[in-house]
Amino acid sequence: DAKTTQPPSMDCAEGRAANLPCNHSTISGNEYVYWYRQIHSQGPQYIIHGLKNNETNEMASLIITEDRKSSTLILPHATLRDTAVYYCIVSGLYNQGGKLIFGQGTELSVKP
Amino acid sequence: GAGVSQTPSNKVTEKGKYVELRCDPISGHTALYWYRQSLGQGPEFLIYFQGTGAADDSGLPNDRFFAVRPEGSVSTLKIQRTERGDSAVYLCASSLPPTGELFFGEGSRLTVL
Repeated sequence: DAKTTQPPSMDCAEGRAANLPCNHSTISGNEYVYWYRQIHSQGPQYIIHGLKNNETNEMASLIITEDRKSSTLILPHATLRDTAVYYCIVSGLYNQGGKLIFGQGTELSVKP
Repeated sequence: GAGVSQTPSNKVTEKGKYVELRCDPISGHTALYWYRQSLGQGPEFLIYFQGTGAADDSGLPNDRFFAVRPEGSVSTLKIQRTERGDSAVYLCASSLPPTGELFFGEGSRLTVL
């Protein structure tokens, strides 16, 4: 079973920031938080990952709470092309190899 | 190509038939994953290879499903005696450990009539 909880759907206005929450209260010390997205009819795409510090790349920012029990993915200026299902995953993959377990994700709809 | 390649992109077969799905990972990626995705669901893990060996096959649903990666590159997912419930998109991904960044292919859509 997935170790994360995400809202099933969210809307965001084009050009505004999209803030996608994720709860992972049972995360262990060596597990990372990963975010992937899946645009309709495509394979999932890696976005970002982090352990405990906030991370930023060209796609998004990842904010992880100090207790690591939740995180937020931020798309700073959402576009229509960001409409997708977003998956939050916790895994020890970085250190230990292994697999990613996907949950149901959040379906983000960016509207004009 | 530079990405993960999966063939066929679409496969329609009849119940009871045998099916093979192929995955060509990114060159140099030692880890390879198979997932299955039903409509409206997230990808479901099937099996993970590190090199030629299956490091974790705990997601294979039953003994009708089998996967190989004989030379540590291309992988084939084999499904025997297909059932209608096997209809799904089968996704392959590869990665270069120890990163957690998986690169996914576009998937093979299997329809069992």
